[in-house]
Amino acid sequence: EAQLVESGGGLVEPGGSLTLSCAASGFTFSDAWMTWVRQTPGKGLEWVGRIKSKTGGGTTDYAAPMKGRFTISRDDSKNTLFLQMNSLRTEDTAVYYCTTNIVVVSAMDYWGQGTLVTVSS
Amino acid sequence: QSALTQPRSVSGSPGQSVTISCTGTSSDVGGYNYVSWYQQHPGKAPKLMIYDVTKRPSGVPDRFSGSKSGNTASLTISGLQAEDEADYYCCSYATGYTYVFGSGTKVTVL
Repeated sequence: EAQLVESGGGLVEPGGSLTLSCAASGFTFSDAWMTWVRQTPGKGLEWVGRIKSKTGGGTTDYAAPMKGRFTISRDDSKNTLFLQMNSLRTEDTAVYYCTTNIVVVSAMDYWGQGTLVTVSS
Repeated sequence: QSALTQPRSVSGSPGQSVTISCTGTSSDVGGYNYVSWYQQHPGKAPKLMIYDVTKRPSGVPDRFSGSKSGNTASLTISGLQAEDEADYYCCSYATGYTYVFGSGTKVTVL
């Protein structure tokens, strides 16, 4: 069974940086396109960005508010996905989910449990 | 990219049907057949219920169905059950290799 486990969340001051990790198991991570989605407290879901598999080109795409501040990367040797977040703002406070599409190509069919990032002074 | 528009809430009695709309533009919902729907119970991660507008992943009851007309997609829950009470989000592929979620709809079973 596929499993995704996020870590690295916590409290960070505005303007600070934080890197989240997502440990994957139960599927061939190197073949998977991986996506980050966030959910602000009491609000809705927001697509953050995606990284393709290396065979798919390994490229990244980001939502407009994250471009230039967030970087998604992967270490296929460790089955781990990363989200590096710089110049954090209070509005980046959210639960960050690691997701992927294993059975379904065009949607996110596996989700982690999420990790909370709080940006506050 | 603005969030897709969903009604804030819908409700129905057990056994009834409810439909949730998801309105976007020709750059997202109307331009691609890549609309998906997610169910989220409080404190839990979202769960995929519908993908590619009308398809159900294995294990999702056939009470859940999806459709699309123009720039608006819809999720219908037939034979509403108590466990269907949750938040529902639509999501669409959008121009520029990105995705956009809907604002979310709370379904209440009366």
